[in-house]
Amino acid sequence: TQLLEQSPQFLSIQEGENLTVYCNSSSVFSSLQWYRQEPGEGPVLLVTVVTGGEVKKLKRLTFQFGDARKDSSLHITAAQPGDTGLYLCAGARNTGKLIFGQGTTLQVKP
Amino acid sequence: GAVVSQHPSRVICKSGTSVKIECRSLDFQATTMFWYRQFPKKSLMLMATSNEGSKATYEQGVEKDKFLINHASLTLSTLTVTSAHPEDSSFYICSGLAGGGYNEQFFGPGTRLTVL
Repeated sequence: TQLLEQSPQFLSIQEGENLTVYCNSSSVFSSLQWYRQEPGEGPVLLVTVVTGGEVKKLKRLTFQFGDARKDSSLHITAAQPGDTGLYLCAGARNTGKLIFGQGTTLQVKP
Repeated sequence: GAVVSQHPSRVICKSGTSVKIECRSLDFQATTMFWYRQFPKKSLMLMATSNEGSKATYEQGVEKDKFLINHASLTLSTLTVTSAHPEDSSFYICSGLAGGGYNEQFFGPGTRLTVL
């Protein structure tokens, strides 16, 4: 059972376009983490959101945690080819385990 | 962020042999580490939770006798794939659970295992 639904799973856009990735769940998480992974490498933590309604910005990336701490979104403004990669959301349980979404493969064409 | 290393980064072995993968937290102590498996262009699949000084906890469907995990110190966990077969070929990634209360995990660079 996939407890964290991530969409879209594949996205191919032109440089300069905006995009949003969504993660939705019926479960409440203690925190939610976003990772970016490049081929052949491990995931790299981008941000952790903890408080319901929280918004965090990382340059052109904006992360939002839903008020009920069940969903989150990642918005990228003016995407660049360097943004290409696999984006993963992961909800944290109090046990320390992470529940991963299916991942979003993003391709930004020059 | 915290740094986790994995060794080896790539390994090719013959069917029937055993392979050991090391996961080290370099600048923090990880009482809990996790082992994941990842298929091409897919998300991470949790295999087991490794706790320092105690037995690992395996996810449903993961054979504990096939994937031996040892967490002998606060900075080292090892995964041994025993009697490897071609279907065990995959990308194996470990992570360390950092302190701080947010349950953040920091991942190693992964190990590409190819079983011939």
